[in-house]
Amino acid sequence: NAGVTQTPKFQVLKTGQSMTLQCAQDMNHEYMSWYRQDPGMGLRLIHYSVGAGITDQGEVPNGYNVSRSTTEDFPLRLLSAAPSQTSVYFCASSYQGSYEQYFGPGTRLTVT
Amino acid sequence: GIQVEQSPPDLILQEGANSTLRCNFSDSVNNLQWFHQNPWGQLINLFYIPSGTKQNGRLSATTVATERYSLLYISSSQTTDSGVYFCAGNQAGTALIFGKGTTLSVSS
Repeated sequence: NAGVTQTPKFQVLKTGQSMTLQCAQDMNHEYMSWYRQDPGMGLRLIHYSVGAGITDQGEVPNGYNVSRSTTEDFPLRLLSAAPSQTSVYFCASSYQGSYEQYFGPGTRLTVT
Repeated sequence: GIQVEQSPPDLILQEGANSTLRCNFSDSVNNLQWFHQNPWGQLINLFYIPSGTKQNGRLSATTVATERYSLLYISSSQTTDSGVYFCAGNQAGTALIFGKGTTLSVSS
């Protein structure tokens, strides 16, 4: 099993550009989520999904969109990037929300 | 939502020393995990431990669910143990909430 994979590993965007961060898992997990990590802030939840077709907002959802068309994939879209979205983004998955969660390697995003 | 507090925020050790990291929760949790974030930024699962005690090599963890805290023990620390240790927990149907972490530096 590859576990949780994320692409790209690094990305630099200009303010106003859009992009999609990819996340995939091959463990047939129902629950997937996106976090951002900023210095001194720990990890904060952006969006999560309890299954295909179902998504919901986390603590810091503004500026991000998600969709879940398959069990395996949970992409995160930045519609109009802002410097405040400079961060490291982690995707996670688990069998269900209150089971052990596994994290991908992260995407380091810089918005200039 | 629940609040997660970790202590100490920073810890500096000599190689070979032992340490205890603590995690307090504001409410009961169904899921409790400990992670190690290595210097390359990777989050590594250490323990899934909603209650009880587990051991994995030089690391062990104990969760006292009734008192809403968990402890991570590191024995005979090595330089490769350096990094940030996070605990995180959630209740059924809610998001996993992270503490702010304990930054561990082990020098040789």
